Amino acid sequence: AQSVAQPEDQVNVAEGNPLTVKCTYSVSGNPYLFWYVQYPNRGLQFLLKYITGDNLVKGSYGFEAEFNKSQTSFHLKKPSALVSDSALYFCAVRDRLGGTYKYIFGTGTRLKVLA
Amino acid sequence: DAGVTQSPTHLIKTRGQQVTLRCSPKSGHDTVSWYQQALGQGPQFIFQYYEEEERQRGNFPDRFSGHQFPNYSSELNVNALLLGDSALYLCASSFFGTANSPLHFGNGTRLTVT
Repeated sequence: AQSVAQPEDQVNVAEGNPLTVKCTYSVSGNPYLFWYVQYPNRGLQFLLKYITGDNLVKGSYGFEAEFNKSQTSFHLKKPSALVSDSALYFCAVRDRLGGTYKYIFGTGTRLKVLA
Repeated sequence: DAGVTQSPTHLIKTRGQQVTLRCSPKSGHDTVSWYQQALGQGPQFIFQYYEEEERQRGNFPDRFSGHQFPNYSSELNVNALLLGDSALYLCASSFFGTANSPLHFGNGTRLTVT
């Protein structure tokens, strides 16, 4: 079965410092991986995806993610964190079944950027 | 371009009651998926609708049912509510023909069961 794991419940980083939010995956076949962000009382907003191609994927709001097949990881990164980046971040894998698919989400990582 | 809209935003129900949540997909999308997000958890897949049929279902009891209308909007119905059904219910839409496109989520309906 497809799954993703987010090993950190919370990540704290100072404003201006680089940030990393970790995600590892377990899939059969080629992984289709996504990162979403959730602000309080809101739905999930798409940040970026990896389908195929370059291992470094660039997304919205200056975020990027590095796909590492040997380590089965898909960590989210940003070179310089902003206070406004503070939110809940979810990694997800797309699980295809027949002609349809569903997303399997991790448990989330709360990012706190300190001024 | 309207995104995914859900109604109502908040709902309080009593155990044993029934509830209906509504979702309008993003313009151009024809597939609707529903997710349950309990407090402190990631979203859990409930089911997906395309062409007015349930195409895939997650590990949820049949108290959870749904419907998709010809205009692609969707409803989620939950019968015999339990306290454990309290959660944020998220609707997500996509276009069936582009499997690599990401899901677009609404802001959710917060259901509280007392």
